[in-house]
Amino acid sequence: DQQVKQNSPSLSVQEGRISILNCDYTNSMFDYFLWYKKYPAEGPTFLISISSIKDKNEDGRFTVFLNKSAKHLSLHIVPSQPGDSAVYFCAASVLGNTPLVFGKGTRLSVIA
Amino acid sequence: DGGITQSPKYLFRKEGQNVTLSCEQNLNHDAMYWYRQDPGQGLRLIYYSQIVNDFQKGDIAEGYSVSREKKESFPLTVTSAQKNPTAFYLCASDRGPGTDTQYFGPGTRLTVL
Repeated sequence: DQQVKQNSPSLSVQEGRISILNCDYTNSMFDYFLWYKKYPAEGPTFLISISSIKDKNEDGRFTVFLNKSAKHLSLHIVPSQPGDSAVYFCAASVLGNTPLVFGKGTRLSVIA
Repeated sequence: DGGITQSPKYLFRKEGQNVTLSCEQNLNHDAMYWYRQDPGQGLRLIYYSQIVNDFQKGDIAEGYSVSREKKESFPLTVTSAQKNPTAFYLCASDRGPGTDTQYFGPGTRLTVL
């Protein structure tokens, strides 16, 4: 039973436009959420996180939105750049308690 | 430079042989983790350790073993009992489960022939 779901395996966006990656979770105990970016044959790198006491967190071109009632979070990348092309993983945990649970990832392709 | 190192980057083994993957961190993190990545499967947790000399099974521990004799090191042994060992293996560390950001090593690609 998948606790963290990324229902879109892939997404293509034109350079300069907004990329929106979505993530749903089923465990209402999750209170900390992260996004990671991964290039082929490399380890994931941390992008941005959000705790459940917030509904939005920004870092440069990256913004994460959390909707606790819908158990949904999204990552917005504006403007999208070709270097953003990678696989993006959503992850969640219960702070101080459980290891991260990862979604299956969404492959983003930014087309020049 | 603080970070996580995994060696080797690529590893080839014959079927039926055990193989040990190395993971070392100098971030002074208490917790370390092993994940496996397969195409379309995301990251699946194999084992994790919150403290030296202690570790817990993750979601897919069968056919794997680990040890945590030192805080800096968390080697993973892929045994002959693992039915589909060919995969990309990732080691990670943080200050403890669910405490904050988890950092990853560069990964080891294991191919069993």
